[in-house]
Amino acid sequence: ETGVTQTPRHLVMGMTNKKSLKCEQHLGHNAMYWYKQSAKKPLELMFVYSLEERVENNSVPSRFSPECPNSSHLFLHLHTLQPEDSALYLCASSPISSGYYNEQFFGPGTRLTVL
Amino acid sequence: TQLLEQSPQFLSIQEGENLTVYCNSSSVFSSLQWYRQEPGEGPVLLVTVVTGGEVKKLKRLTFQFGDARKDSSLHITAAQPGDTGLYLCAGVPGFKTIFGAGTRLFVKA
Repeated sequence: ETGVTQTPRHLVMGMTNKKSLKCEQHLGHNAMYWYKQSAKKPLELMFVYSLEERVENNSVPSRFSPECPNSSHLFLHLHTLQPEDSALYLCASSPISSGYYNEQFFGPGTRLTVL
Repeated sequence: TQLLEQSPQFLSIQEGENLTVYCNSSSVFSSLQWYRQEPGEGPVLLVTVVTGGEVKKLKRLTFQFGDARKDSSLHITAAQPGDTGLYLCAGVPGFKTIFGAGTRLFVKA
């Protein structure tokens, strides 16, 4: 238990569906991240929020829409996804004060399958 | 573009054997981290190394940061089945942590 929870753990959706992934951290951190993990590829950073403001958006397609309503919660809204978007989506948090080290705490991930 | 290359990609060994996995880059990092990820879970931070030449030990795991801060190694002594997992190295600083693709280790009993 890392103090970062993600729901759902598994999600199967069609290309026309709209769904949302949820992440919650109980560590008092003020930076949160979304990563995509595909087989045999490095983790891809998708979005970074610091103090609830988006500070990084790594050219992610608009069919992925993040939302950070407060420092404890992070959402990833999904719509009209493609089969190649199937992957493990990981949420992480870190204290901004760690800055130099940026030690991140990860949730267990949501395994997404797009049919 | 900063890249981290990890080798080997896959390693299958018997319980009790020693092993070393590597993380290499052409870039200099201010610090480097190692994570372990077990099936169905997210990565868990094992260690952060900061100083060139630094060596850190975590029970049977020994981590070393290269003198030039471009590479790192993880050595496991007397591997156990519980060491099975995906070992990821990550270069920092800042929010743009760069991850390698990982070494998948399987330790057979």
